[in-house]
Amino acid sequence: SQTIHQWPATLVQPVGSPLSLECTVEGTSNPNLYWYRQAAGRGLQLLFYSIGIDQISSEVPQNLSASRPQDRQFILSSKKLLLSDSGFYLCAWSVHPTGEQYFGPGTRLTVT
Amino acid sequence: KQEVTQIPAALSVPEGENLVLNCSFTDSAIYNLQWFRQDPGKGLTSLLLIQSSQREQTSGRLNASLDKSSGRSTLYIAASQPGDSATYLCAVSTGANSKLTFGKGITLSVRP
Repeated sequence: SQTIHQWPATLVQPVGSPLSLECTVEGTSNPNLYWYRQAAGRGLQLLFYSIGIDQISSEVPQNLSASRPQDRQFILSSKKLLLSDSGFYLCAWSVHPTGEQYFGPGTRLTVT
Repeated sequence: KQEVTQIPAALSVPEGENLVLNCSFTDSAIYNLQWFRQDPGKGLTSLLLIQSSQREQTSGRLNASLDKSSGRSTLYIAASQPGDSATYLCAVSTGANSKLTFGKGITLSVRP
């Protein structure tokens, strides 16, 4: 069966520090991968999606970047965090043809 | 631009009641629609997926319907239980790349 992992589960970082969040998927090949952010009162927002290795699309201009160095690994990064980067970050995957999305457990990021 | 609306934002019902959660979307050209459940501090759990060619899907006490022409979906929960207390999110995809647009969710509380 397929599983999706995210780490760390929680993170507290000062403003201006770098960020690296990792997501890996097991039990499937060539999945579409997604990064979402859930901020209080704002709902879930798609940040990046990827249809293959090194194929990344950004949905919202921001302080973050994403990379996909391997088929089932998706990384969210920042060089310098802002207070507004705080939120709950969720990774998800989907496969054709249904397009049903499955989510990981999330990372709670607090920027202080 | 696709927009998804879920009203009301919160709902409290006594145990045993049958209830309907509503979701509306502005662009009827959807690929699929998913209902998710989110417990506090956790990731999203997929409940039901309805493809654009389908009218409804059922899983246990849950039934989701889709009316594309009117831009509406409903999630019916039969014989509600305290364990059903959670936030329920509706999301639509407008293409095979499965990018989802989410509503803000309905927070359901089922009172014993």
